Amino acid sequence: GAVVSQHPSRVICKSGTSVKIECRSLDFQATTMFWYRQFPKQSLMLMATSNEGSKATYEQGVEKDKFLINHASLTLSTLTVTSAHPEDSSFYICSAIPRFYNSPLHFGNGTRLTVT
Amino acid sequence: RKEVEQDPGPFNVPEGATVAFNCTYSNSASQSFFWYRQDCRKEPKLLMSVYSSGNEDGRFTAQLNRASQYISLLIRDSKLSDSATYLCVVITREGGYNKLIFGAGTRLAVHP
Repeated sequence: GAVVSQHPSRVICKSGTSVKIECRSLDFQATTMFWYRQFPKQSLMLMATSNEGSKATYEQGVEKDKFLINHASLTLSTLTVTSAHPEDSSFYICSAIPRFYNSPLHFGNGTRLTVT
Repeated sequence: RKEVEQDPGPFNVPEGATVAFNCTYSNSASQSFFWYRQDCRKEPKLLMSVYSSGNEDGRFTAQLNRASQYISLLIRDSKLSDSATYLCVVITREGGYNKLIFGAGTRLAVHP
């Protein structure tokens, strides 16, 4: 089955540093990738939708200059949390959808970010 | 009104019970529907796709009602291991791109 690989699975960084999270579709071409954030005991919150070759569409309240998304190829999207702060500590998950829209969404295994 | 709404949780049911979740969507142009299961501190995993004709996988049955714009998930003979959050996902094709909307999730707790 389709696999989405997300890396790293866990990262601890100091306040003020930037962290890059990669999301790769391993055996299919993903025209669209989605980035989510989930705080403990809360729902997944969509941060942005990334279409290959175009700028990401951010959800209301998500700072595009803080959460940089790049979807340079059909198999790779990256999320960079710039100048991370403790309140950015969260579980970040990516998902990808193949070219055919009626295919299910495939999720990465998530990245647990802790900013100290 | 939210584009996708799910039954509020949590649902607390005993083992062996039958439980049903609904998920309504507002965009009649939505074309793909799925149920996902998310365990605590893990990523969501696909449970079932939802087809107009309805589909069944063991104890799980998913149905789509286009006229009323909702999808449902029925779990029979609940097990302790069914305890999780269930997310409905609706995908719409807009302007050549996929627009994804998912529900906030319904938490199910199955107790002995």
